[in-house]
Amino acid sequence: GIQVEQSPPDLILQEGANSTLRCNFSDSVNNLQWFHQNPWGQLINLFYIPSGTKQNGRLSATTVATERYSLLYISSSQTTDSGVYFCAVVTGYALNFGKGTSLLVTP
Amino acid sequence: DTAVSQTPKYLVTQMGNDKSIKCEQNLGHDTMYWYKQDSKKFLKIMFSYNNKELIINETVPNRFSPKSPDKAHLNLHINSLELGDSAVYFCASSPVGTGGLLPYAQENIQYFGAGTRLSVL
Repeated sequence: GIQVEQSPPDLILQEGANSTLRCNFSDSVNNLQWFHQNPWGQLINLFYIPSGTKQNGRLSATTVATERYSLLYISSSQTTDSGVYFCAVVTGYALNFGKGTSLLVTP
Repeated sequence: DTAVSQTPKYLVTQMGNDKSIKCEQNLGHDTMYWYKQDSKKFLKIMFSYNNKELIINETVPNRFSPKSPDKAHLNLHINSLELGDSAVYFCASSPVGTGGLLPYAQENIQYFGAGTRLSVL
């Protein structure tokens, strides 16, 4: 099956810093989603981005499908950005998740 | 209104018991899913139903039985609970394109419920 690798596995930032999270996948995909799992465990849709670039406030994402990677940018990080960020790609019907990047933003 | 709702949010039970988790979506989606998140936060598909028909059944013990009474509901029943079943179970749904079994890729955005944390003692 398709492999989804995320890096870095863990990240600690001071409030206000910027960061880039990476997702590599082993085969061509039609669908790719980024999620944020907050400290309460809720999975929040961030982006649906099989290709191209999207922005939503301080977050933006870029997927280069031909090179099989996606990037999630977090600018001016806030403590509420803490949690785990997952990249997931669709094969058939279901999402295949990476292992996530655990982000801690300190005051 | 919550788009994908699952109950209960927490479930604590003894080994050997049988329990059910319910899921409902009000998005009008055709496809629903159950995912399991283990203690290391890894998320893995368990089952998927498209319009009440089972389309994905990953390698899951047959103690787990999904049931879809209609396309808005997908319940998960677990028999003879074991310690290793302790996890967070997420329900999700997504729209499916018309024609054939494969969804239109552009429409297959999955939305997740809040999760059910199952603890087996």
